[in-house]
Amino acid sequence: DVKVTQSSRYLVKRTGEKVFLECVQDMDHENMFWYRQDPGLGLRLIYFSYDVKMKEKGDIPEGYSVSREKKERFSLILESASTNQTSMYLCASSTQTSQVRAFFGQGTRLTVV
Amino acid sequence: ILNVEQSPQSLHVQEGDSTNFTCSFPSSNFYALHWYRWETAKSPEALFVMTLNGDEKKKGRISATLNTKEGYSYLYIKGSQPEDSATYLCASLFGNEKLTFGTGTRLTIIP
Repeated sequence: DVKVTQSSRYLVKRTGEKVFLECVQDMDHENMFWYRQDPGLGLRLIYFSYDVKMKEKGDIPEGYSVSREKKERFSLILESASTNQTSMYLCASSTQTSQVRAFFGQGTRLTVV
Repeated sequence: ILNVEQSPQSLHVQEGDSTNFTCSFPSSNFYALHWYRWETAKSPEALFVMTLNGDEKKKGRISATLNTKEGYSYLYIKGSQPEDSATYLCASLFGNEKLTFGTGTRLTIIP
């Protein structure tokens, strides 16, 4: 069974802390994505990666960075967490074949206080 | 920003009725159109992936069509059931890497 696993379901952090959200996939997928989901705004793309050590900004990259040192792992980093980064974060992966769907992790609900 | 738009934002449908909603996307650099169902407390799950103009896909009571020239896709649900209550997301794959989602249509089936 294919799997995308996010390291935490729930996380509470303080303003100014450095936060790491980890995502691991076991399907040898080339593409990996980080989205955040906020009410009324759908899934917004933060960053994506199409290969190891490669990254591209999505639509809302400000305040975030990413790391992809190994193919199976894609990390989202909040350098200095702020309250407006309180959200649900979803990781996804896919191959680079157009016919194939994306697989999602279970989501991390991050609260910054 | 490549805008993928969905309408309506939310919908209440009587059990047994049929319904449909729309996804519109930029037709340039189009690779594929995805539909996902997202139930509360679960991960989004794929319903369909479509790539060719005129594509029609069906899974049980749910079907989808694609028009890549004008940049839209319709999702149809026939004979709605309570278990169809969910948020339905469409996403457009631009190039073969960037998967951009719409804001979703939140469907509630009224028993």
